[in-house]
Amino acid sequence: QVQLQESGPGLVKPSETLSLTCIVSGGSISSYYWIWIRQTPGKGLEWIGHSYYGGTTTSNPSLRSRVTISVDTAKNQFSLKLTSVTAADTAVYFCARDGVGSGSIFDYWGQGSLVTVSS
Amino acid sequence: DIQMTQSPSSLSASVGDRVTITCRASQSISSFLNWYQMRPGKAPKLLIYAASSLQSGVPSRFSGSGSGTDFTLTISSLQPEDFATYYCQQSNRTPWTFGQGTKVEIK
Repeated sequence: QVQLQESGPGLVKPSETLSLTCIVSGGSISSYYWIWIRQTPGKGLEWIGHSYYGGTTTSNPSLRSRVTISVDTAKNQFSLKLTSVTAADTAVYFCARDGVGSGSIFDYWGQGSLVTVSS
Repeated sequence: DIQMTQSPSSLSASVGDRVTITCRASQSISSFLNWYQMRPGKAPKLLIYAASSLQSGVPSRFSGSGSGTDFTLTISSLQPEDFATYYCQQSNRTPWTFGQGTKVEIK
């Protein structure tokens, strides 16, 4: 059974970089698309972006200039970096996998990690 | 971006009830529509993909239908574990977008 678990700081200061890692267990990361999604009370669920294990990354145009998603096959994990954060980036961040489509169908998710942006 | 609109935003139902949730896209998305269940403290769960394909391991009381702009998720006989929030998501064109959710509560 594939399991995903987000990890990272729960508090980030404005203008700094939010960094999260998703550890994948029960399956290899060396295939499929790996995704980040966030949820806020105001905007609901928002797709951040995805990366194929081979390195191709696609991200939401609303965040593109600030987002980096990378896959580490040696550690079986992938990560998200979001630069220049503001209070609007406060959200629950989910990692997910697409084992069905081409980055667009999320068949396994983590439980989510709350990140608050505040000084 | 493609806007997804769900209705109702919330509903109250009893165990055993038939429940229907609708999702409308701002433009045609063919059958590129997925449904998810979210419960507090649990990992979100894929229920239906490609509008009507049941994800492996999901009970058969869940079904999906529709194409173009109008879609439906039906729970044929509501069970206690089905009280949750349900979201639709279009997978026709990036950025992938979600509906605002439908919360199913106990009557």
